[in-house]
Amino acid sequence: AQSVAQPEDQVNVAEGNPLTVKCTYSVSGNPYLFWYVQYPNRGLQFLLKYITGDNLVKGSYGFEAEFNKSQTSFHLKKPSALVSDSALYFCAIRGNFNKFYFGSGTKLNVKP
Amino acid sequence: GAVVSQHPSWVICKSGTSVKIECRSLDFQATTMFWYRQFPKQSLMLMATSNEGSKATYEQGVEKDKFLINHASLTLSTLTVTSAHPEDSSFYICSAGPGDGEQYFGPGTRLTVT
Repeated sequence: AQSVAQPEDQVNVAEGNPLTVKCTYSVSGNPYLFWYVQYPNRGLQFLLKYITGDNLVKGSYGFEAEFNKSQTSFHLKKPSALVSDSALYFCAIRGNFNKFYFGSGTKLNVKP
Repeated sequence: GAVVSQHPSWVICKSGTSVKIECRSLDFQATTMFWYRQFPKQSLMLMATSNEGSKATYEQGVEKDKFLINHASLTLSTLTVTSAHPEDSSFYICSAGPGDGEQYFGPGTRLTVT
């Protein structure tokens, strides 16, 4: 079985400061990991994914994520947060047959 | 990139009625589509896998007679919530992929049962 966990329900950061949204995973075999962002009453927007290769993955809107196999983590990061980054962020893992399993979500609040 | 659409984007229905939600892949064919459900302030939970030309497969705990899925063509899957009740109110999201391992998510459908 595969799963992801997001330990923080909410992350607060000031605009211009770096942000980190945490995600850990559990899987037997190689993980296929994703980050999505969701704005209120909207669908999911793809940010980035890790399939293989470099541990540092760069994605949309200046976001990046670092895959750490020893810590089974895939934390989402951004060097300088924007107020417009405030949204709900989901970590996900792709399982067999292209099924996706999502974390519980982390609400990011960026304050001006 | 590939686009998945859903219709309607929101729907209000009365308790006891049925409502159909459509999921379409606009620029690719998909033999498999997925339906997810999201409760307010909660995560997405996989409900079922929609298979073109065959029966859908449901995740544990999802009532197949309650949530009818029909994958009528390679670009269309429908989810019908039968005899809807207020507890069925939720945000329903579908996903589909062109077969290369990628999945694209629809914009979601907000269902409110009164």
